[in-house]
Amino acid sequence: AQSVAQPEDQVNVAEGNPLTVKCTYSVSGNPYLFWYVQYPNRGLQFLLKYITGDNLVKGSYGFEAEFNKSQTSFHLKKPSALVSDSALYFCAVRVPTNTGGFKTIFGAGTRLFVKA
Amino acid sequence: DGGITQSPKYLFRKEGQNVTLSCEQNLNHDAMYWYRQDPGQGLRLIYYSQIVNDFQKGDIAEGYSVSREKKESFPLTVTSAQKNPTAFYLCASSILSGVTYEQYFGPGTRLTVT
Repeated sequence: AQSVAQPEDQVNVAEGNPLTVKCTYSVSGNPYLFWYVQYPNRGLQFLLKYITGDNLVKGSYGFEAEFNKSQTSFHLKKPSALVSDSALYFCAVRVPTNTGGFKTIFGAGTRLFVKA
Repeated sequence: DGGITQSPKYLFRKEGQNVTLSCEQNLNHDAMYWYRQDPGQGLRLIYYSQIVNDFQKGDIAEGYSVSREKKESFPLTVTSAQKNPTAFYLCASSILSGVTYEQYFGPGTRLTVT
């Protein structure tokens, strides 16, 4: 079965320190991977995506993610965390459906707390 | 949340009543989606539509219905057949249904059924 796993329910980091939010995937074929962020009582916002090419993808708000095919991972990173980065982060993979379209499978989410 | 509106933000209903959640987008996107979000479970796909007058069931379509009469609109009806309707509902759209396209989300509707 195709799936996305976020092994950490919560990540705590001090402001100014680097942060990593982990994601692993299991898909058949090429993976098309995404990261989204959700602030309280809001919809999700797109951060970045990996489709092909360079394994290091840069996105919004200083975030980046590293695609590792051998480890089937797509970890989200930021060199220096801000308190305002505190939010719920979702990893997602886009897969074909049996009706000719595509759907997105989301991980369960990781809550990031950045302490001042 | 730009370009996608969902109304109302909070909705309260009595058990046994059908309720319709609104989703409108002005992004000229072809594909639209409905998700349900429950704590600790991420987002689960209810229905999606790739084109006007066509829609497909997602992973948890039972107890829900949709229509796509206009490109801009994709309302979701939560029927009395849905066993556990209390949740946060998110509507999304993308340029096309293709694999490379990210989704744009509305602000969500929190439905409480008592």
